[in-house]
Amino acid sequence: QKEVEQDPGPLSVPEGAIVSLNCTYSNSAFQYFMWYRQYSRKGPELLMYTYSSGNKEDGRFTAQVDKSSKYISLFIRDSQPSDSATYLCAMRGTGGFKTIFGAGTRLFVKA
Amino acid sequence: GAVVSQHPSWVICKSGTSVKIECRSLDFQATTMFWYRQFPKQSLMLMATSNEGSKATYEQGVEKDKFLINHASLTLSTLTVTSAHPEDSSFYICSARETGQDYNSPLHFGNGTRLTVT
Repeated sequence: QKEVEQDPGPLSVPEGAIVSLNCTYSNSAFQYFMWYRQYSRKGPELLMYTYSSGNKEDGRFTAQVDKSSKYISLFIRDSQPSDSATYLCAMRGTGGFKTIFGAGTRLFVKA
Repeated sequence: GAVVSQHPSWVICKSGTSVKIECRSLDFQATTMFWYRQFPKQSLMLMATSNEGSKATYEQGVEKDKFLINHASLTLSTLTVTSAHPEDSSFYICSARETGQDYNSPLHFGNGTRLTVT
C-alpha cells in the first residue's frame, strides 16, 4: 500500500464548476499537508500549506484536512481554463522527515 | 521570493555521455537542496538530499556513482548524470529550502529538466 493515494484522473469539468481533489494517506505521523500545481513540463508550484486538521482558504482555493479519516481535499471554486494542470498533494511528519507526494490528478477545465 | 532556477530546461544527449543539471536559488541562500525524478503520470521520487559543503544523502536504490551531486555554494547544487542510458530519460526537478527555515517549511521547486538519452 502506498503511503499517499491520489486518483490520477483525468478530471474534466466545465468552466465555473467547483472542483474537488482528494488524497488519502496511511501514516498517522503526517502533520503538514501541501497542495502543488504543476503545469506541463514545469516544476510544481506551492498552492496551499496547512498544519494538522482544519480548513484553509486562499482566494478560490480551499484546503481541508481530516486527520481522523486520513483524508485531505482541495476545492477550487469558479474553475477557469487556466486551472488546467496536474495537482499534487504532499505531506510530511514533523522533524527532518522527507516529503511524500501523491501521483497527481490531471485536471482539465473546459471553456 | 523563493525563486529556484534550473538549467537547462531540456537536454538531449547520446548514450554513454554525461549531463550536468544546475539548480540555483536566486533570491535566497539554500543550505539544503533536493533532487527529484518524475516519470510521466507518476509522483515525484526523491533521489537525494544535497547539503552545502558535505556529501549528498542518497535514497535507497539511487546509484550515487551514476548521479553525482555537488553543492559547493549556498546558491548552487548540480546533478551530473554519468554515462547516461536511455532508461535515465526522465524529468529531473530540484527544490531548495531557505537557510534558517525549519524542516517543516514547504519546498519550492525549479522548473525541471527534461533529459532525453538517445
